[in-house]
Amino acid sequence: EDQVTQSPEALRLQEGESSSLNCSYTVSGLRGLFWYRQDPGKGPEFLFTLYSAGEEKEKERLKATLTKKESFLHITAPKPEDSATYLCAVRKTDSWGKLQFGAGTQVVVTP
Amino acid sequence: ETGVTQTPRHLVMGMTNKKSLKCEQHLGHNAMYWYKQSAKKPLELMFVYNFKEQTENNSVPSRFSPECPNSSHLFLHLHTLQPEDSALYLCASSPAGAGGMGNEQFFGPGTRLTVL
Repeated sequence: EDQVTQSPEALRLQEGESSSLNCSYTVSGLRGLFWYRQDPGKGPEFLFTLYSAGEEKEKERLKATLTKKESFLHITAPKPEDSATYLCAVRKTDSWGKLQFGAGTQVVVTP
Repeated sequence: ETGVTQTPRHLVMGMTNKKSLKCEQHLGHNAMYWYKQSAKKPLELMFVYNFKEQTENNSVPSRFSPECPNSSHLFLHLHTLQPEDSALYLCASSPAGAGGMGNEQFFGPGTRLTVL
């Protein structure tokens, strides 16, 4: 059975304290892994797409990496405005239009 | 107006009511989606429309009825809902096309639905 598992469920960081979020997946034929950020009461905001093992993408303090079994979202020197729930999702080769989401990691960054 | 918009933002309805959620995208996309987001659970895909044709119904109960009159508009008609249907309903859109790269989906702000 295909699964997308995110860990930890929640993460509390001090401002400037770097950390990493994990998204592990067991799907056959990965066609893309997506990261989103979701603020309370809002829809998910697209961050990155990764397609192949070894690929990395960066945006401001965020860096996403991909291996054959998992993806990491590294948050470098976070600020309070990085507080959000971070979601990952996978798309399989034979499932155009279908993204399978993980449950998310809730990140709180305190000053 | 840009991006993906949804109305209403909040909706409270009784179990015998009929209501509709509306989604509009201004991104020139041809695929649109409905998702359900319940507390502490992953987003659940409900329906997919590609060029106005429904291509996915993820075993959704018939009390949810989608409608896609054109590539920019998507509706979700609700009737005789249950309290467990209370959730955040999200609409998304993406460029259409099978295979290939992409399919980044862009989400609206959601409709917070409460069923009494």
